[in-house]
Amino acid sequence: GAGVSQTPSNKVTEKGKYVELRCDPISGHTALYWYRQSLGQGPEFLIYFQGTGAADDSGLPNDRFFAVRPEGSVSTLKIQRTERGDSAVYLCASSFDLAVQFFGPGTRLTVL
Amino acid sequence: SQKIEQNSEALNIQEGKTATLTCNYTNYSPAYLQWYRQDPGRGPVFLLLIRENEKEKRKERLKVTFDTTLKQSLFHITASQPADSATYLCALVGGATNKLIFGTGTLLAVQP
Repeated sequence: GAGVSQTPSNKVTEKGKYVELRCDPISGHTALYWYRQSLGQGPEFLIYFQGTGAADDSGLPNDRFFAVRPEGSVSTLKIQRTERGDSAVYLCASSFDLAVQFFGPGTRLTVL
Repeated sequence: SQKIEQNSEALNIQEGKTATLTCNYTNYSPAYLQWYRQDPGRGPVFLLLIRENEKEKRKERLKVTFDTTLKQSLFHITASQPADSATYLCALVGGATNKLIFGTGTLLAVQP
């Protein structure tokens, strides 16, 4: 079946603007994760959803970052008042067994 | 704080040889450890998972070892091929939510 999809694949925005990044997990996967990857680094955990609820948001860097998953499927990562330091690839992953995670291709965010 | 280290330098090997990648961690006792492959512009792809009570795991040309005393995992690719060229990420599983804590990755280049 289809894998994890993320839209848009690229997003260029200006400092101070608001952005939304979307993740469509694999159908039936109740666990959904967001990670952020900077150049030359491994992905860093941001937030984890089990169903509709955020079970662990300890990786969100500050209150400008927020994520939702209202129906337990699609998730949106929202970033307010973007800063240049937010530029990175944002990866989404889903899992059915809380062990193996299936990653999407990521959204490359560039804040000018 | 938890720290995961992988070979910081890129690894260049000749086709047909065995590639060995290292993952060392500190201040952590993971229940299991995973290895992922990441190609440029793509999300990580799961390769192997090894549990704390397993010393070795194999899958086709891949072999992973896990030494919880040394706090180290080794990842081997035998009979390497140019198509194996990619970045390989080591990841520890963090806590009840199974969020992944990644190393920085090792870039492997297999020369024909």
